[in-house]
Amino acid sequence: AQSVTQLDSQVPVFEEAPVELRCNYSSSVSVYLFWYVQYPNQGLQLLLKYLSGSTLVESINGFEAEFNKSQTSFHLRKPSVHISDTAEYFCAASEPLQGAQKLVFGQGTRLTINP
Amino acid sequence: ETGVTQTPRHLVMGMTNKKSLKCEQHLGHNAMYWYKQSAKKPLELMFVYNFKEQTENNSVPSRFSPECPNSSHLFLHLHTLQPEDSALYLCASSHLAGGQGYEQYFGPGTRLTVT
Repeated sequence: AQSVTQLDSQVPVFEEAPVELRCNYSSSVSVYLFWYVQYPNQGLQLLLKYLSGSTLVESINGFEAEFNKSQTSFHLRKPSVHISDTAEYFCAASEPLQGAQKLVFGQGTRLTINP
Repeated sequence: ETGVTQTPRHLVMGMTNKKSLKCEQHLGHNAMYWYKQSAKKPLELMFVYNFKEQTENNSVPSRFSPECPNSSHLFLHLHTLQPEDSALYLCASSHLAGGQGYEQYFGPGTRLTVT
C-alpha cells in the first residue's frame, strides 16, 4: 500500500523568502502525486499535480514541484512567499480503487509566513 | 452553486442524537468520497462510491452510515457518536480514473462536535 511522508509538520519563513516543503512517497510502479492547500476553515484545494510527462509541474500562483523517481520525492517550492500563502499543505499519492481512486495523504505541513 | 457543497458547515450533537451530513457535487463527476480530518492525524478515507456503488469502507464503525442515492449526492448518517468522532468531515468527488483526470475536488467540510 502507498504511504506518504511529509517531513516537516511546521515551516516558518519570512515574507519574500524561498520555501521548500518536503514530501516522500513509498515506491510504486506508477504513481500520481498531488499537492493540496487548506486555508483556515476551508476544504482542500488542488495546488498542482503530477500524472506523467515533465517532472516539473507548476501552479498558477508561483508554486512548483518536481517529481524525482529515484528519490521517491515530490517536494513543493516557491522562490518568494507572500503572507497570503499561510496555510496547511498536504501531499497526496493516488492508488487505483475499482475505477475510482484512493488518495493517501501525508500528515500536512503548516506554512507560516512572518512579515 | 458550483463545485462541491456541504451542509451543514457546523454541527453540534449529543451522543444519543441522530443527524445527517449532506454533500452535493455540481461537476458531473461519478465518484464521491468521505474523509475524516482530525487534529494531528492525516486525512482518513472513510467511504468511496463509484457510480453510486460503495467500493470502499475503510474499517469505519457502523455508527457512520453512508448513502449515495445518485452520482451527485452523498450523505453521511450519524448515530450514537462518541466524543472522539469530533472532526472535520470532508466530501470530495472526481471523475473515474482513466477518464478526464485523477484529481479530487473537495467541499468546505462540516465541523462536527460531539458532546
